Amino acid sequence: EPEVTQTPSHQVTQMGQEVILRCVPISNHLYFYWYRQILGQKVEFLVSFYNNEISEKSEIFDDQFSVERPDGSNFTLKIRSTKLEDSAMYFCASSSGWNQPQHFGDGTRLSIL
Amino acid sequence: AQSVAQPEDQVNVAEGNPLTVKCTYSVSGNPYLFWYVQYPNRGLQFLLKYITGDNLVKGSYGFEAEFNKSQTSFHLKKPSALVSDSALYFCAVRDKYTDNQGGKLIFGQGTELSVKP
Repeated sequence: EPEVTQTPSHQVTQMGQEVILRCVPISNHLYFYWYRQILGQKVEFLVSFYNNEISEKSEIFDDQFSVERPDGSNFTLKIRSTKLEDSAMYFCASSSGWNQPQHFGDGTRLSIL
Repeated sequence: AQSVAQPEDQVNVAEGNPLTVKCTYSVSGNPYLFWYVQYPNRGLQFLLKYITGDNLVKGSYGFEAEFNKSQTSFHLKKPSALVSDSALYFCAVRDKYTDNQGGKLIFGQGTELSVKP
């Protein structure tokens, strides 16, 4: 069964540094998402992406965040200048249609020191 | 705003007994509801969804969920629990959507299910 894959599985970064989290969605999917889960808290929506542009973003997704689908297969989340509070598990998801389930990757654990 | 609530942080069940994980929702319009399961160090795995149709929805691994409009609930159930069902379970509702938005998921806080032998 096709899967969403995320790399790296764990990223440790100094505060203020840039970080890029990478995702390969399921190949025929059209909608792409990033969520995050701070330890012990609920899963929170960050951003959705469709037709090569952001379709929706949350309050969390400020100017420090950006997403890109550079080559038709990868879907990346960039945090320009990381803060301690960015430490979380980041999940990528994709779906084939707006009424179809979103399929999640195993996540990238981001630790900001 | 759309929201879901999972009133129990933890549910403990003996293996072989039926299990229920509760979820209530608050939406404007018709709800699109989902259940996901998360095993340690893994992503969320889709279990089942309710879009329309029968109120009893069957999903993966023998799970089912009952949509109850009058009680605004979407409880997850399984007739006979397995130790391997122990995991974190999330109820989610799809937010308002348009054809080009896809609709983000709004998650409950999660319920830790523990099935003991």
